[in-house]
Amino acid sequence: AQSVTQLDSHVSVSEGTPVLLRCNYSSSYSPSLFWYVQHPNKGLQLLLKYTSAATLVKGINGFEAEFKKSETSFHLTKPSAHMSDAAEYFCVVRPNAGGTSYGKLTFGQGTILTVHP
Amino acid sequence: SQTIHQWPATLVQPVGSPLSLECTVEGTSNPNLYWYRQAAGRGLQLLFYSVGIGQISSEVPQNLSASRPQDRQFILSSKKLLLSDSGFYLCALQSKVYGYTFGSGTRLTVV
Repeated sequence: AQSVTQLDSHVSVSEGTPVLLRCNYSSSYSPSLFWYVQHPNKGLQLLLKYTSAATLVKGINGFEAEFKKSETSFHLTKPSAHMSDAAEYFCVVRPNAGGTSYGKLTFGQGTILTVHP
Repeated sequence: SQTIHQWPATLVQPVGSPLSLECTVEGTSNPNLYWYRQAAGRGLQLLFYSVGIGQISSEVPQNLSASRPQDRQFILSSKKLLLSDSGFYLCALQSKVYGYTFGSGTRLTVV
């Protein structure tokens, strides 16, 4: 079984300040982890993914995430927020083995990021 | 690259009416196809997935059904909509080459 918990349903930051979106996961099998962003009335866009290579993953638009197995966390960060970063963000886990569970994505509840001028 | 088309973008339907949401893909063959639903304030929930024509697996028993009549076509249906069926529905495809691609979604409001 696998699950994802995004610890904050809403995060509000000022433009130019750092962003931290928190994600904890559990998985019976070695997982791949993803962060997706969803702007209003748009589909999901992949920001970055961890697939058992380097634990610090760099994505698009200046976002990064670090896989910490000991903490079962995959937090998303960005040094300086931009107005265009305002959107909803989803942390996603996918097992890399496990019979019928293979390939299925489990989504976190989502975190809405608001960026103030 | 692979692309996915999903329509309509928004839909308002009365309770008890039927539903048909369609999703088609391009640029890949024999993909895994998925229907997800996002209820207000919740993450995305997997409803159905398909690994091939006519092969449908249901994750959550409910008022909906899915069909895959062609390799690149995935349909979400209901015979009689309930108020609780309201939500945002996303079609997704997964291929070995390109990974996951999501449709733009359908916002369904049942009134």
